[in-house]
Amino acid sequence: NAGVTQTPKFQVLKTGQSMTLQCAQDMNHNSMYWYRQDPGMGLRLIYYSASEGTTDKGEVPNGYNVSRLNKREFSLRLESAAPSQTSVYFCASSESEYFGPGTRLTVL
Amino acid sequence: AQSVSQHNHHVILSEAASLELGCNYSYGGTVNLFWYVQYPGQHLQLLLKYFSGDPLVKGIKGFEAEFIKSKFSFNLRKPSVQWSDTAEYFCAVRGNTPLVFGKGTRLSVIA
Repeated sequence: NAGVTQTPKFQVLKTGQSMTLQCAQDMNHNSMYWYRQDPGMGLRLIYYSASEGTTDKGEVPNGYNVSRLNKREFSLRLESAAPSQTSVYFCASSESEYFGPGTRLTVL
Repeated sequence: AQSVSQHNHHVILSEAASLELGCNYSYGGTVNLFWYVQYPGQHLQLLLKYFSGDPLVKGIKGFEAEFIKSKFSFNLRKPSVQWSDTAEYFCAVRGNTPLVFGKGTRLSVIA
């Protein structure tokens, strides 16, 4: 039982590049979430998925897209990375009670 | 939509001192309330949560929180802190939208 897993742990991108952050949970939870954490800002919700096949915008969705591939997996895509997207990204499941280890992303 | 305020940005305590971190929320309806801890370089861990019932909630690592509905507050307490409690603490509330987090309180415990 691995809980919530995220890949990669670290990533450096150049402005304009694209990438996908992966998240998976093995606890059979319906809901999954993507947050970004910035110093002094707490965690802000980017997108969430209340159940397989549904996704909804959170507080800061601009510049991101998501896919709920199946019940286990919820990916976050940056189509054209910008320096403002430099952050630590956390995936969570089950009403945000379980968090993944995070992805530290730097956009140059 | 709901919002959360954590009034203390940085708290410094000596070991064995008592801790109280403030959390106030704004939302007129039924809420679920959470406290998380984030140790340096790690992800968030759930300390405790309140959904209904007894307003005094006990969590892991000796932490507790009290929900006071009339004050819209959910303060976190610990009677005696240890150096290992050095971390950032986040309050969060869920009303009619997914969880909304406060900006966090950094706790530094010194020997």
